[in-house]
Amino acid sequence: DAGVIQSPRHEVTEMGQEVTLRCKPISGHNSLFWYRQTMMRGLELLIYFNNNVPIDDSGMPEDRFSAKMPNASFSTLKIQPSEPRDSAVYFCASSKGLAETSSYEQYFGPGTRLTVT
Amino acid sequence: AQSVTQLDSHVSVSEGTPVLLRCNYSSSYSPSLFWYVQHPNKGLQLLLKYTSAATLVKGINGFEAEFKKSETSFHLTKPSAHMSDAAEYFCVVSDTGGFKTIFGAGTRLFVKA
Repeated sequence: DAGVIQSPRHEVTEMGQEVTLRCKPISGHNSLFWYRQTMMRGLELLIYFNNNVPIDDSGMPEDRFSAKMPNASFSTLKIQPSEPRDSAVYFCASSKGLAETSSYEQYFGPGTRLTVT
Repeated sequence: AQSVTQLDSHVSVSEGTPVLLRCNYSSSYSPSLFWYVQHPNKGLQLLLKYTSAATLVKGINGFEAEFKKSETSFHLTKPSAHMSDAAEYFCVVSDTGGFKTIFGAGTRLFVKA
């Protein structure tokens, strides 16, 4: 199993540019999570999907952020326009699903380190 | 409402001595509890999980944690620290439906030679 795959691993962009982060979850997992990690705010859940449907996007900081999951094996997180305060490490995680009787652990990708200058 | 509190932001131990990382939680449901580890510039890796089975949970790399409902605690321990244990550790609480997962602020573990 290749694990959760994220690309790119590093992204440096200028303020105002559009940034797209990509994630491929583990095959067979039907829940996907996007997190942001900074020194100041720690690990923050931005949005999560179940069966490709967004369940909770209350963590998305503002309208500049959007996320999609067009199919079970691919998700994107887009920032448009980007700002220096968006600089962070963005993690994608997947899990087997959201079940009433059990809670499945999340498997994290290696992260994308975003720097906005 | 759920919450999780990691009582120490930093813990420093000497190699070969015991490790104790403290975590308290609150949950309206029967919670699932997890510990994750993050090494520098890496993603988070699951160490162990509690999901209402045995209260003493064994994880990878010699770590274990004990669920104590009366104390609402889920402390992480290891009998003997190794240099490679230096990392950040996150305590996580999730409701049984998995609809809400809360991460603690993290505890950074330093291991001195």
